[in-house]
Amino acid sequence: GQNIDQPTEMTATEGAIVQINCTYQTSGFNGLFWYQQHAGEAPTFLSYNVLDGLEDKGRFSSFLSRTKGYSYLLLKELQMKDSASYLCAVTDSNYQLIWGAGTKLIIKP
Amino acid sequence: GAVVSQHPSWVICKSGTSVKIECRSLDFQATTMFWYRQFPKQSLMLMATSNEGSKATYEQGVEKDKFLINHASLTLSTLTVTSAHPEDSSFYICSAFVGTERNEQFFGPGTRLTVL
Repeated sequence: GQNIDQPTEMTATEGAIVQINCTYQTSGFNGLFWYQQHAGEAPTFLSYNVLDGLEDKGRFSSFLSRTKGYSYLLLKELQMKDSASYLCAVTDSNYQLIWGAGTKLIIKP
Repeated sequence: GAVVSQHPSWVICKSGTSVKIECRSLDFQATTMFWYRQFPKQSLMLMATSNEGSKATYEQGVEKDKFLINHASLTLSTLTVTSAHPEDSSFYICSAFVGTERNEQFFGPGTRLTVL
């Protein structure tokens, strides 16, 4: 079966750095997305990885290792507005998005 | 990025009535649109894949006679929840597939349905 695992909840301090991990087992791989979702809103795109390595987008970076079936989202200089759920999603061989359950990130002052 | 709109943004209806939700791609043509449902504190659950001009493909466990999907044009897909019941209360989100090198989906803002 297809499976994506990410921690249910994480807590971090304002100004700090946090890494949210995602592991996946899917039938085929055509890219991995990270989305941010605030409560009551639709997801918004953060990053996309299809090749191994780090995609640096300023405060947010995402890393992918296809051989390990592993990705992480790195958030730096955390702000209170970063409190949200972070969803990892993989596009499989049929180009269908397989979603993780999301990681709820709580930022404390 | 591509813009997707949804209407209405929220709706409250009585049990037994039908509700139609529209999903529009505003600045591009979307041959494929997806409909998701999200219950509180849960991830998105794909309900169906909607292709323009053909019947929608429903995920296992989703009743196609209850959730009617019509993708009549390249910019509009509709989801009709027929004979709605309180357990259908949820957050419904559509997305449009853009076949760029990223194979990205762009999401509408979602529709909050409450069935009394």
